[in-house]
This record gives sequence, structure tokens and C-alpha cells, in this order.
Amino acid sequence: KAGVTQTPRYLIKTRGQQVTLSCSPISGHRSVSWYQQTPGQGLQFLFEYFSETQRNKGNFPGRFSGRQFSNSRSEMNVSTLELGDSALYLCASSLLGARGRDTQYFGPGTRLTVL
Amino acid sequence: GDSVTQMEGPVTLSEEAFLTINCTYTATGYPSLFWYVQYPGEGLQLLLKATKADDKGSNKGIEATYRKETTSFHLEKGSVQVSDSAVYFCALFEAGNNRKLIWGLGTSLAVNP
Repeated sequence: KAGVTQTPRYLIKTRGQQVTLSCSPISGHRSVSWYQQTPGQGLQFLFEYFSETQRNKGNFPGRFSGRQFSNSRSEMNVSTLELGDSALYLCASSLLGARGRDTQYFGPGTRLTVL
Repeated sequence: GDSVTQMEGPVTLSEEAFLTINCTYTATGYPSLFWYVQYPGEGLQLLLKATKADDKGSNKGIEATYRKETTSFHLEKGSVQVSDSAVYFCALFEAGNNRKLIWGLGTSLAVNP
């Protein structure tokens, strides 16, 4: 079974631009979560989608948004990019998507550099 | 809120040495606990997990036991190899309405031949 895939793997943008990152979960997984990884802040939760609905959101500004499609694929968008948005963005999928215990499987990430 | 504390790195060991990476957590409920590993330039790979007290997770010679009395989930490996060089992350999963993984800061391991 194929793992979680993320595209693109690398992105370079300039301040003020916007960017869209894509994530395809493991087949059959309905929950997709996004995390930001930076050297200073470590790993931080952005949001989770389940059945096309955002179910949970981390403490990030409104410039960070996402959505999920009917095939469970997800996109996240960052508008008006800032230098501090440079990070590795990781997508994770999980099977159950219920409010109980679950295991998240991660993709390789998208490395975003903002100049 | 819930939190995870890992021992600071970097940790440098010789091949075949014993590895311990300490992880303690604070949680109001009964979280699941995880160890993930990240190799240079890659995403996160699940190493092992434990879902309840006294559970022992194990994978490829790496073990960790969910200790509720000490709120710990220490990683151990009996004999490290150069290929184990990576960053190791301890995490807990908050279930319920606020479901998400909460992470430690990671421990960098370098194994010398």
C-alpha cells in the first residue's frame, strides 16, 4: 500500500506570495493532519480534516488554511507569506479518524523557503 | 495543557553501545504514546507506540514501556548502529475534541563507527 505523498517536495517563494501544498493520504485513511516543523518551535499542529470538515485547528493565524476533498486528499494554503513561514510542512493520515486513539503516518514533507 | 519533555541532545555513541532516550509527559487523561524517527532530509517514521499503562512497544530492537506511575516512555536500544543516526521524537496523542499529536523537541543521535 502506498504511503502518504506530498507535493511538491521543495518550494521557494518570496514574501507576500501565497502557496498551496498538497497531501494524498494512505488509501482508506479519512483523516489528514498538518504540522509545521521549524528549528525554533519544533513540531506544531496546524489543523486536522476528516470527511472534508476541519475538525481541529492549532494556534496559527488565519493566513494558514486548508481543505479536504471527497477522495480525502488535502491541501493547505498559506497566504501573504512571511519569512517565518519557512519550514518543513508535514502531512499525516490516519485510518479511524474517530475521537479516540489513532496512529498517524507521515509523508516526506514539503520544504518551504520564503525569501 | 498536555506536554512532552525529552532529554536534550545531541547524543553521541559508538557502535554497539546501549541507547536510552528519556521521555516524560504531562497529561490530564490517558494518552497514547509514540516514538517517531526522522532521518536527514526526510519526514517522520513511526517507530513504536503504546496505548495504555504497562504496554511495551517494540520495533527493530527498539523498545519503550508506558509507565503511568512515572509518566515516562523512555526509548531503549541494546546495540546501536551507524544507521540509527537520526533525530528521535517522543509524542503523545490527545484524543477527544482536541485530538492532535503533542511533540517533544527531539533528540539528535549520532553513532560513530
